[in-house]
Amino acid sequence: SQELEQSPQSLIVQEGKNLTINCTSSKTLYGLYWYKQKYGEGLIFLMMLQKGGEEKSHEKITAKLDEKKQQSSLHITASQPSHAGIYLCGALTTSGTYKYIFGTGTRLKVLA
Amino acid sequence: GAGVSQSPRYKVAKRGQDVALRCDPISGHVSLFWYQQALGQGPEFLTYFQNEAQLDKSGLPSDRFFAERPEGSVSTLKIQRTQQEDSAVYLCASSSRTGDPTDTQYFGPGTRLTVL
Repeated sequence: SQELEQSPQSLIVQEGKNLTINCTSSKTLYGLYWYKQKYGEGLIFLMMLQKGGEEKSHEKITAKLDEKKQQSSLHITASQPSHAGIYLCGALTTSGTYKYIFGTGTRLKVLA
Repeated sequence: GAGVSQSPRYKVAKRGQDVALRCDPISGHVSLFWYQQALGQGPEFLTYFQNEAQLDKSGLPSDRFFAERPEGSVSTLKIQRTQQEDSAVYLCASSSRTGDPTDTQYFGPGTRLTVL
């Protein structure tokens, strides 16, 4: 589904650099979830955002949901090789019934 | 167990065979979801259970796909007469002790199905 657009699709950064991943929806989001996935593994939950303007942080990762609840960003400060993986945003939307959708992912590589 | 478990982790099937994929959700979780993830793509919703009731099966790609959760705990996704396009990772997720749709979904490691 392309109802949830992620950018960039892939990212290569030098260790220590900051980076941002964006997730945009054409519909109002009732819940926005960030996950990390390593190849061949399931999704590891990072953070959930619900309220417009909400911001959450965990270690060096910060996620924000904009006021209109249609866009979220994930920011990693001072990236490390352990941050490498695929970052997926998932969302709960509704068009009559609840619908769960995911973006296509952002592949992050951190060079030591 | 503490998390969602799935079995088998890997499955190779010949085209035309039937397969059954199992999901053990987090104990006490009311909601259970199945997703299909093709290589390089995000998960695509297949079906959703609340307890033993299958409330949404709109994502099942064909009538060859069937899911059940007879006692409201363990779930099985069955694919009949597998085709090559069924090759994907099948992810199971569970959430919520209350059925709140906004509750976070916790995912299992997935079953990688390869159809030859």
